[in-house]
Amino acid sequence: EIVLTQSPGTLSLSPGERATLSCRASQSVSNSHLAWYQQKPGQAPRLLIYGASSRDTGIPDRFSGSGSGTDFTLTISRLEPEDFAVYYCQQYGNLPFTFGPGTTVDIK
Amino acid sequence: QVQLVQSGAEVKKPGSSVKVSCKASGGTFSSYAFSWVRQAPGQGLEWMGRITPMSGIADYAQKFQGRVTIFADTSTTTAYMEVSSLRSEDTAVYYCARGFGGSLAFWFWGQGTLVTVSS
Repeated sequence: EIVLTQSPGTLSLSPGERATLSCRASQSVSNSHLAWYQQKPGQAPRLLIYGASSRDTGIPDRFSGSGSGTDFTLTISRLEPEDFAVYYCQQYGNLPFTFGPGTTVDIK
Repeated sequence: QVQLVQSGAEVKKPGSSVKVSCKASGGTFSSYAFSWVRQAPGQGLEWMGRITPMSGIADYAQKFQGRVTIFADTSTTTAYMEVSSLRSEDTAVYYCARGFGGSLAFWFWGQGTLVTVSS
């Protein structure tokens, strides 16, 4: 099973600042089958990024994903008020699919 | 537009079973696997398993093997997830999710079903 580790656990930032979230895998994620999801309280997760760097339809271009192998990054270039949420990475290249523990981005 | 609509909240006794449904509309039902993901209160996301409707083959996370059954009814375009021998630790929101456009990432999610296990 591929174990995903996310850092930091919590990121306290102000609107307008840049957020950099990390996801590290215990072994290489095949074909960069790595996704990022955003979740707000009481809501289902929402897909932001798939294939490590492709944005889902309708996702603002301030969200970008990068990385390959075992190291991946989600960057939010300028935080908007609606971006404060929990972010999860997920690998879907190998069964069982696995999620990271999440990074909370909260308002400083 | 694909929509996944799940069944309503359940309250169950320890040791009993629960079955949660996920009705799909839009798109081609058999073309994509349906996964089930659970989220305990205040916790992260946990992948439980998936069903591929075209083949009827289910895959499970080892933790859930033997106690969870995932299946699909193509005639009603509905996926199901059943958990037996419920315990308090199974209290969680259960989501169904599926991919799109050849991607196995979870593009579409159900609204979630809260299952509460309490005596």
